Amino acid sequence: EAQVTQNPRYLITVTGKKLTVTCSQNMNHEYMSWYRQDPGLGLRQIYYSMNVEVTDKGDVPEGYKVSRKEKRNFPLILESPSPNQTSLYFCASSAKGKPQHFGDGTRLSIL
Amino acid sequence: EDQVTQSPEALRLQEGESSSLNCSYTVSGLRGLFWYRQDPGKGPEFLFTLYSAGEEKEKERLKATLTKKESFLHITAPKPEDSATYLCAVPAGSSSNTGKLIFGQGTTLQVKP
Repeated sequence: EAQVTQNPRYLITVTGKKLTVTCSQNMNHEYMSWYRQDPGLGLRQIYYSMNVEVTDKGDVPEGYKVSRKEKRNFPLILESPSPNQTSLYFCASSAKGKPQHFGDGTRLSIL
Repeated sequence: EDQVTQSPEALRLQEGESSSLNCSYTVSGLRGLFWYRQDPGKGPEFLFTLYSAGEEKEKERLKATLTKKESFLHITAPKPEDSATYLCAVPAGSSSNTGKLIFGQGTTLQVKP
């Protein structure tokens, strides 16, 4: 089954404790993205990647890092999380010129 | 600046009461407009892609249309299971790929039996 898998689905952690949210896709897609979704602000793109070792900033990249060492994986790293990064996060992937497929989300709470 | 605006923010309909959702966009060189459906706690699910003015796509009770400035999602005789948030998105800037997308804030539709 074609899917985008995020882990963990839920995480409660504390300020400053480094965390990584993993994302994996099994569709051999070139493009992958990370979004955050907040009430009243909608979906905002954090980072995106057009292929292995090719990444670029979205609209809200501050406080986040990404890497794309393999085509199927695109982890999101929060080196020093802060409460304003509490949000619902989505990973997505697509082939070039095609619509994005989304994962089921990671609900992150930073205390 | 590239921008996508959806209206209304929320819409309540009675079952069977048809209506339309609007997505207005400002982008330099449209390279596709995407409609998604999002259920609470889930990721957006792809519905339609439209590429050129005049194009229409249909799926069950939904029909999406596109002009040079906006897109409409028409819902005919909706059912309670159509309740969801509907999002539209466009590729940003002059890029020919869909790596960078701009989403509207969505319209939350509630259909009452």
